[in-house]
Amino acid sequence: GDSVTQMEGPVTLSEEAFLTINCTYTATGYPSLFWYVQYPGEGLQLLLKATKADDKGSNKGFEATYRKETTSFHLEKGSVQVSDSAVYFCALSVKTKAAGNKLTFGGGTRVLVKP
Amino acid sequence: DADVTQTPRNRITKTGKRIMLECSQTKGHDRMYWYRQDPGLGLQLIYYSFDVKDINKGEISDGYSVSRQAQAKFSLSLESAIPNQTALYFCATSDPGYDEQFFGPGTRLTVL
Repeated sequence: GDSVTQMEGPVTLSEEAFLTINCTYTATGYPSLFWYVQYPGEGLQLLLKATKADDKGSNKGFEATYRKETTSFHLEKGSVQVSDSAVYFCALSVKTKAAGNKLTFGGGTRVLVKP
Repeated sequence: DADVTQTPRNRITKTGKRIMLECSQTKGHDRMYWYRQDPGLGLQLIYYSFDVKDINKGEISDGYSVSRQAQAKFSLSLESAIPNQTALYFCATSDPGYDEQFFGPGTRLTVL
């Protein structure tokens, strides 16, 4: 079955540090890949996505590139802020007639940015 | 106002009690989902609905049931709650043909 593996947290950084969160996947077919972010006390919201190999998703200074050869979708940000403290989820979606666009999530990575 | 709302936001109940979690959306989406979040496990799909007459089991449906009362409303019930159903529950919606799902703020459920 489809699965997503991401690095365990927590990841603790200082402000302006470089952030990388690793994500790898296994999937049948050709998945779309996503990063969702969950701020404290809130639901998940889409951060960025990529729908085919070599696509780069970007938003709010975050980037991730769909690497089919390594089945990876690592999230990066060059200079984090305290406001980036959150839990980040990598996810994939494979379209099927039966299940539509069902999302499969990784376990989440908690990021804490200290001033 | 939020597009996807969940009630209650927090609930403490006892083993064996019946409990209902409610989800409403104003996005006009046909598809709605219920997920459960446990620490370190990400989100697991409980049930999903493509329209009012189409309801499907997800990965972990045992012990849960759902009702799609209208396009905008999707309720999750625990008929007889047990402690290992203590978790954070999320409702989500999506539009057919689009990958993105929109999540509610979650309901934190504690079963004693």
